[in-house]
Amino acid sequence: DAGITQSPRHKVTETGTPVTLRCHQTENHRYMYWYRQDPGHGLRLIHYSYGVKDTDKGEVSDGYSVSRSKTEDFLLTLESATSSQTSVYFCAISESGGNYGYTFGSGTRLTVV
Amino acid sequence: EDQVTQSPEALRLQEGESSSLNCSYTVSGLRGLFWYRQDPGKGPEFLFTLYSAGEEKEKERLKATLTKKESFLHITAPKPEDSATYLCALNTGNQFYFGTGTSLTVIP
Repeated sequence: DAGITQSPRHKVTETGTPVTLRCHQTENHRYMYWYRQDPGHGLRLIHYSYGVKDTDKGEVSDGYSVSRSKTEDFLLTLESATSSQTSVYFCAISESGGNYGYTFGSGTRLTVV
Repeated sequence: EDQVTQSPEALRLQEGESSSLNCSYTVSGLRGLFWYRQDPGKGPEFLFTLYSAGEEKEKERLKATLTKKESFLHITAPKPEDSATYLCALNTGNQFYFGTGTSLTVIP
């Protein structure tokens, strides 16, 4: 996937527990994004980063936080998982803020029970 | 309000039966329209970018076109391996908007 990996690929967790998803890139791209994909919805932006320690909220950011301490890693944390956060999460990277599109990871399927 | 709509939601074709997928949009200030292919259990894979009305891009059996209000992804003589979900996305400069996709099944 063009130097972008997500971990874990699958996770089942209980309501109320914290969960961290990891995105790692080897492309040295400045921009990194977290999206969620749900049936009936297009990909929706959760948070994005435009540099180390520079992050901002997307349209569905409630209940999520992110961190980027290194160019190559972008972490998504669910502070207290809820069933509504059951989804497939995709990380994406971009050189230019999306002008030439994104490259996506393979996704993490998260189930909150 | 900026919106992107894809149709149909699902499409079944016989192998060799050409057709088109539609992505219609209402956005202010289009900075680019993107087509992606997504296979089950995988992330979207980039296909094309179109930037201005009248532009066309081709790749194997796929051809993407763009007008001021919509984009078409034409599939000529599809094969079973073309079965996937096709997503369009729009960049307005401030935000990316993704459609919900068209699920294409090509029957041998």
